[in-house]
Amino acid sequence: EPEVTQTPSHQVTQMGQEVILRCVPISNHLYFYWYRQILGQKVEFLVSFYNNEISEKSEIFDDQFSVERPDGSNFTLKIRSTKLEDSAMYFCASSSGETQYFGPGTRLLVL
Amino acid sequence: QKEVEQNSGPLSVPEGAIASLNCTYSDRGSQSFFWYRQYSGKSPELIMFIYSNGDKEDGRFTAQLNKASQYVSLLIRDSQPSDSATYLCAVNRGTSGSRLTFGEGTQLTVNP
Repeated sequence: EPEVTQTPSHQVTQMGQEVILRCVPISNHLYFYWYRQILGQKVEFLVSFYNNEISEKSEIFDDQFSVERPDGSNFTLKIRSTKLEDSAMYFCASSSGETQYFGPGTRLLVL
Repeated sequence: QKEVEQNSGPLSVPEGAIASLNCTYSDRGSQSFFWYRQYSGKSPELIMFIYSNGDKEDGRFTAQLNKASQYVSLLIRDSQPSDSATYLCAVNRGTSGSRLTFGEGTQLTVNP
């Protein structure tokens, strides 16, 4: 069964550093998403992406964040200058319609 | 008012019992409703989705939707210890690519 994959599974970085989180969506899906979940809190939407552009973004997705589909398979989330409060689990999801399937997540720890 | 509200639990049921999980939402424009299961430290795993008022059954799971009351529920019959997890209710506006808005989840424990 096709799955969304994400790398790395864990990332530790220093405050102010740039990080890139990578995702390979399910191959025939056209819609891609990033969510985050701070420890003990709910899953929060960051951004959705379709046809090589952002279709929707939340208030969390400020200028420090960017997304890209650099090739036909990868979908990336870049955080330009990490802050302590960016520490969270980041989930990539993809869909062919409304139903979204989540990857295993990347646990980001900012020190 | 929270956009999606779930009974926070924790909810504890004996093995073999019915577990009932509830969710209300505030956006009347919501059209699609999803239940995800999340084990500790893992990602949300889709259990069921429902779009129309009424009941939808899939194996031991039944989702119920009442748009007039802005209420959606999940029943788990013959609960098993492996069902112990946090159950997330999520809604969206029913168009492809639209964001999911999640509740905080209900933690379910099924006791052997």
